[in-house]
Amino acid sequence: DVKVTQSSRYLVKRTGEKVFLECVQDMDHENMFWYRQDPGLGLRLIYFSYDVKMKEKGDIPEGYSVSREKKERFSLILESASTNQTSMYLCASSFGIGTNTGELFFGEGSRLTVL
Amino acid sequence: GQQVMQIPQYQHVQEGEDFTTYCNSSTTLSNIQWYKQRPGGHPVFLIQLVKSGEVKKQKRLTFQFGEAKKNSSLHITATQTTDVGTYFCAGFNFGNEKLTFGTGTRLTIIP
Repeated sequence: DVKVTQSSRYLVKRTGEKVFLECVQDMDHENMFWYRQDPGLGLRLIYFSYDVKMKEKGDIPEGYSVSREKKERFSLILESASTNQTSMYLCASSFGIGTNTGELFFGEGSRLTVL
Repeated sequence: GQQVMQIPQYQHVQEGEDFTTYCNSSTTLSNIQWYKQRPGGHPVFLIQLVKSGEVKKQKRLTFQFGEAKKNSSLHITATQTTDVGTYFCAGFNFGNEKLTFGTGTRLTIIP
């Protein structure tokens, strides 16, 4: 079975802190994604990557950055956390041909609270 | 940018009744996917539709992709308590290479 593992299920941080959310997948997928999920807004794409060291901005990249140094790992970084970044963060991966993304496999999510 | 809207946002049905959620995109899609998220869980892939006018069935679930590839629907016949959850559509656009999720429809079942 495909496994997407997110490093932390729950985090509580203070405004201004730097936050790292780690995601690892074990199926050699090319594509990896970070979404945030908020009530009534669905899942919104923050960043995605179709290859190692490659990244593309999603729909709401402001206040976030990402790193993909290895194929299996995709990290989301909040340089200076703010209260409006309190949310559920979902990492996903997929096997795609080129940019044709296939079925997404999601991690369990990381619920971040910024005080 | 590309937007994908779903209606209704919430749906409460008696067990055994049918349920439908509708998905509308502001742009033409290359394909559309559907996911189900159980309460407290993460989204799980259900199906992908690619062709204009495509209809696919999975037991009591029927998925349709519109002729113009800008809308889609999911219909559940004779709902069961196991159908509880939030259903998301996700539209893929080759032009911007993004998979954009809809706002979701939360289904609750009254036993």
